[in-house]
Amino acid sequence: GEDVEQSLFLSVREGDSSVINCTYTDSSSTYLYWYKQEPGAGLQLLTYIFSNMDMKQDQRLTVLLNKKDKHLSLRIADTQTGDSAIYFCAEINDYKLSFGAGTTVTVRA
Amino acid sequence: DTAVSQTPKYLVTQMGNDKSIKCEQNLGHDTMYWYKQDSKKFLKIMFSYNNKELIINETVPNRFSPKSPDKAHLNLHINSLELGDSAVYFCASSQRTGGSGYTFGSGTRLTVV
Repeated sequence: GEDVEQSLFLSVREGDSSVINCTYTDSSSTYLYWYKQEPGAGLQLLTYIFSNMDMKQDQRLTVLLNKKDKHLSLRIADTQTGDSAIYFCAEINDYKLSFGAGTTVTVRA
Repeated sequence: DTAVSQTPKYLVTQMGNDKSIKCEQNLGHDTMYWYKQDSKKFLKIMFSYNNKELIINETVPNRFSPKSPDKAHLNLHINSLELGDSAVYFCASSQRTGGSGYTFGSGTRLTVV
């Protein structure tokens, strides 16, 4: 979506950390989300963060939110081949979830 | 148990035909959605129903008509299919209050030939 921007591609070596960045425009978004889409599959909710939080950690996933800059990031620690997928950042406004264009993460051995 | 299920998974049809995609959710959510994902993986909302009432109707050709017989079902009917309608269509559901996000179905890949 034009209101949510992400870089399109990320290549990472297995075992390294991946960082996917996203910028959004709607400062009134109460929640921000990260979804994962594997090839030929639907969208799986990975994690979300409430807008009054700066950070959320869930096992290998860390979400950082800079509300002032409207910047959201997802860090995947110890990236595995199963993490190869498209990752979508999304914001919610008036009950409507708007997605970025998705970042294709490729994990190389 | 599948939370959001859509049928069919694949649909290949000729231009000009009329087709329907069905969606059902067993999560007890009060809101359902249809999204279209184009060949570049861009996701765009089409429609949303809350308790059978249409609440989001984006700029979509009127050949597309959603129907919600009850809050657990949201079907999408497409008339006079065109080549540009080829895409993956995702159904989703959510509880309107609360921030736990949407639950998506596995998608219907529509190919118009």
